[in-house]
Amino acid sequence: EAQVTQNPRYLITVTGKKLTVTCSQNMNHEYMSWYRQDPGLGLRQIYYSMNVEVTDKGDVPEGYKVSRKEKRNFPLILESPSPNQTSLYFCASRKDRGYSYEQYFGPGTRLTVT
Amino acid sequence: GQNIDQPTEMTATEGAIVQINCTYQTSGFNGLFWYQQHAGEAPTFLSYNVLDGLEEKGRFSSFLSRSKGYSYLLLKELQMKDSASYLCALILSGNTPLVFGKGTRLSVIA
Repeated sequence: EAQVTQNPRYLITVTGKKLTVTCSQNMNHEYMSWYRQDPGLGLRQIYYSMNVEVTDKGDVPEGYKVSRKEKRNFPLILESPSPNQTSLYFCASRKDRGYSYEQYFGPGTRLTVT
Repeated sequence: GQNIDQPTEMTATEGAIVQINCTYQTSGFNGLFWYQQHAGEAPTFLSYNVLDGLEEKGRFSSFLSRSKGYSYLLLKELQMKDSASYLCALILSGNTPLVFGKGTRLSVIA
């Protein structure tokens, strides 16, 4: 089954404790991205990657890191989480060419930083 | 930016038809998406318009007018399960991010 997976789905952590949210897709998509979603603000892009070893900042990259060492994986790293990073996070992937650029989303990770 | 605007909230009655509008300020883009998102869940793909005109898919239709800078999503025969947020998004090119509007929260009432 074609899908994007994220882990963990739920995480409660404390300020300053490094964490990683994993993201993996099995569709051989070139393009992957991370969003955060907050009430009233909609989906905002954190980072995106057009292919292996190619990453770019989105609209709200501060406090986050990413890596793209393999095509299928795109982890999101919070080196020193803070309460303002409490949010719902989505990973997504799509092809970067062709007629349809349909973007597939992972199930989401709800992060709470206390 | 692309300044994608959608109404924040709408309410409609079960069985009725509702139109959700999306306006944007950009001239060059590959296409426009509509996604549905139930509370706390991931967005799911509804439609993708490249050319002007209406694309119909069951109870859902999406319209695009590039010259007028707007799109709409039409939902017919509304059901309670259609209560969700509807997100409009633009893609400028194959190697650029999708840019989302803030979404329209639709409530379907009996």
